[in-house]
Amino acid sequence: LAKTTQPISMDSYEGQEVNITCSHNNIATNDYITWYQQFPSQGPRFIIQGYKTKVTNEVASLFIPADRKSSTLSLPRVSLSDTAVYYCLVVGNFGNEKLTFGTGTRLTIIP
Amino acid sequence: DAEITQSPRHKITETGRQVTLACHQTWNHNNMFWYRQDLGHGLRLIHYSYGVQDTNKGEVSDGYSVSRSNTEDLPLTLESAASSQTSVYFCASSEHRGSMRNEQFFGPGTRLTVL
Repeated sequence: LAKTTQPISMDSYEGQEVNITCSHNNIATNDYITWYQQFPSQGPRFIIQGYKTKVTNEVASLFIPADRKSSTLSLPRVSLSDTAVYYCLVVGNFGNEKLTFGTGTRLTIIP
Repeated sequence: DAEITQSPRHKITETGRQVTLACHQTWNHNNMFWYRQDLGHGLRLIHYSYGVQDTNKGEVSDGYSVSRSNTEDLPLTLESAASSQTSVYFCASSEHRGSMRNEQFFGPGTRLTVL
């Protein structure tokens, strides 16, 4: 299972674009990159997943360079409700993997 | 609407007692997971199941057991509760049998305190 490294915390002002970068130097060929969001006292919620290049959905974009050793979650025009912990995961498609969320990045949006 | 529920939401027990946490999902998902979340450790996988009668150990399985007798439920049992098992427990489910990669849907969590 590829180990991921992401910043412990980040602060940003409302209305700005926020980019959270995750490092995963030993990512394997069949691994996908997945991001989850967790609000206090709630379970994590899936945000986005990708394999390479760029993926965009209604809430975020995920940028993955050609070497796939890192990825960047981009949140456009953040609001106070985006204050949460964001987890980067790298996982293959089949079992026997010790899926671990790590400690994530605590994002605080400032009014 | 389909959902995943956990019960109880809060539980206080004593060291040495057996405790069972319930998890029930109505998505008809094959895969179900149990995690624990502690400060400084993020979420760690305890056990998971890819279908009825299938169970597998995760990263921190010692002291825990699960059984899968139907698609909807994956109860987590602490055979003899220890203070180190004080934590918040999350259950999750996903479709596509046997795949860890697919989107997991999480329950609201159970806060367990072992005195």
